[in-house]
Amino acid sequence: ETGVTQSPTHLIKTRGQQVTLRCSSQSGHNTVSWYQQALGQGPQFIFQYYREEENGRGNFPPRFSGLQFPNYSSELNVNALELDDSALYLCASTLSGGGISGHEQYFGPGTRLTVT
Amino acid sequence: GESVGLHLPTLSVQEGDNSIINCAYSNSASDYFIWYKQESGKGPQFIIDIRSNMDKRQGQRVTVLLNKTVKHLSLQIAATQPGDSAVYFCAENRGTGGYQKVTFGTGTKLQVIP
Repeated sequence: ETGVTQSPTHLIKTRGQQVTLRCSSQSGHNTVSWYQQALGQGPQFIFQYYREEENGRGNFPPRFSGLQFPNYSSELNVNALELDDSALYLCASTLSGGGISGHEQYFGPGTRLTVT
Repeated sequence: GESVGLHLPTLSVQEGDNSIINCAYSNSASDYFIWYKQESGKGPQFIIDIRSNMDKRQGQRVTVLLNKTVKHLSLQIAATQPGDSAVYFCAENRGTGGYQKVTFGTGTKLQVIP
């Protein structure tokens, strides 16, 4: 196990609702990235937080937002849920100066979100 | 545009044989590549990485080969075991505006036949 935890494990929401997913990073890791993984696809980068600031974002609309707290834990918020938001949401933590080297990135088990 | 893709969605291998998983990338600016293993119900797990100034790197039972001329990399698993059954992703890592962005491919499912 990586030491990265996510909650909840599974979640079912209705289209139009809002959802908050949580991630606790590995101890001491100051960078958290969020990914969306649709069924049968590779993870897609949503955004990254470093020292409580967003420092990189993928091709996702503004209704995907996030927070990072002083203890480096993080939240992913999605507003106005759409059916296509159904996916596995992964967070990954890193100890870095704002960048990621693959071997330093530790993934959590993910939150399975189903939008009906 | 950038893309990281895989040639085969599913690969079936007899236990004890060697496995080769291939991956193509399109961005010649990519300077770092990673292979991940994802088992059912788990997040991706780092296997091995390689920098663009290398063409081969070996780990325990795994070897990654990088051919920059044709923008291709492969993951070789020696003496494949049932525990190797998983989805394997190649990913590229490159600096983008002050942070390192990791772009994953679609994945190849490796099935090990006992």
